[in-house]
Amino acid sequence: EDKVVQSPLSLVVHEGDTVTLNCSYEVTNFRSLLWYKQEKKAPTFLFMLTSSGIEKKSGRLSSILDKKELSSILNITATQTGDSAIYLCAVGLQGGSEKLVFGKGTKLTVNP
Amino acid sequence: GAVVSQHPSRVICKSGTSVKIECRSLDFQATTMFWYRQFPKKSLMLMATSNEGSKATYEQGVEKDKFLINHASLTLSTLTVTSAHPEDSSFYICSARRDYMNEQYFGPGTRLTVT
Repeated sequence: EDKVVQSPLSLVVHEGDTVTLNCSYEVTNFRSLLWYKQEKKAPTFLFMLTSSGIEKKSGRLSSILDKKELSSILNITATQTGDSAIYLCAVGLQGGSEKLVFGKGTKLTVNP
Repeated sequence: GAVVSQHPSRVICKSGTSVKIECRSLDFQATTMFWYRQFPKKSLMLMATSNEGSKATYEQGVEKDKFLINHASLTLSTLTVTSAHPEDSSFYICSARRDYMNEQYFGPGTRLTVT
């Protein structure tokens, strides 16, 4: 069974801290790994990673994929209260449907 | 770019009635759209994959006669919850995969409450 595991499940930090969120996967036909941020409504897309070792960056957020370790990390530097959200990791599978398998998410709370 | 809308955002209906939820990709074509269900404090559960012009593919355990999906155009997919029951109350989210790309973009979700 395809599986995506995120850790930690929840995290509380202070503004200005740097956080690292983890995602590991066991799937049969890996195609890509995606990170989403979910606040009150539906997830918003952050990154898609397909190649190992290449960092993707957007402002204070960055992410990298390690295909050998079957994992990815999402880093957030200089956290702000607006970063408080659930961060979802999903793995895209090869095949006709291109479906995503989601992890349970990491709930990040950034306190002022 | 890559905006996906859902309508309605919130609906309350009585047990036994049917509810239709629309998912539209506003600025791109999406041959493939996905319907998810999210339970409180849980991750997204894929219900079905919707392909324009063909029958939807349902995940194991999802009743296709209860959750009717129609993908009539490259920008619109609909999910109809038929004969809704209180246990169908949930947050339903659609996503659209931009043609020739791999990213999925999510709609804002529809909160369904069945009384």
